[in-house]
Amino acid sequence: GAVVSQHPSWVICKSGTSVKIECRSLDFQATTMFWYRQFPKQSLMLMATSNEGSKATYEQGVEKDKFLINHASLTLSTLTVTSAHPEDSSFYICSASRRGTEAFFGQGTRLTVV
Amino acid sequence: AQRVTQPEKLLSVFKGAPVELKCNYSYSGSPELFWYVQYSRQRLQLLLRHISRESIKGFTADLNKGETSFHLKKPFAQEEDSAMYYCALGGATNKLIFGTGTLLAVQP
Repeated sequence: GAVVSQHPSWVICKSGTSVKIECRSLDFQATTMFWYRQFPKQSLMLMATSNEGSKATYEQGVEKDKFLINHASLTLSTLTVTSAHPEDSSFYICSASRRGTEAFFGQGTRLTVV
Repeated sequence: AQRVTQPEKLLSVFKGAPVELKCNYSYSGSPELFWYVQYSRQRLQLLLRHISRESIKGFTADLNKGETSFHLKKPFAQEEDSAMYYCALGGATNKLIFGTGTLLAVQP
């Protein structure tokens, strides 16, 4: 199957700083990428849908100025958590798909804000 | 509104027993239903999708539009089936809405 890679796998940052997470589709071109957030022992919550070359569509309740998403190419989307605070600590997962095919998931990024 | 409900947080069965993981959905359009599995310390991966109507690792799931259900079944559970299972609903936009997940624990 197709491979989706996230970088970094884990990151610790100080409160108030910004953190960028990359999501790459390694062997296919992803027309759409999705960003999810997963709290401990809970399900994945969709944060936003990212289409290459256009602005991301955020789900209700997700702050677009807080979670900046850029989808500059068909193989790369980035999520930047701006001015991170401890409550932003979570597991962030991306997925990538081509239209009409299944979504492939990255391994996730564990963000800890101290 | 799109919604996926998995009523059981935990399902514990003995090896060789039948398994049924429940999933109900709410969607006004034509749904695409999926089951994803997450083994310990691994990424989420697709188990099966309703349109392919195939059996993967002995699991099957039938879409019942009348009951708006897509329950996952396996006649004889194996210890290696122990994992977190998520039911997901997709629509025209390709985005997936996930249920809360069910942890399947297969006891020896």
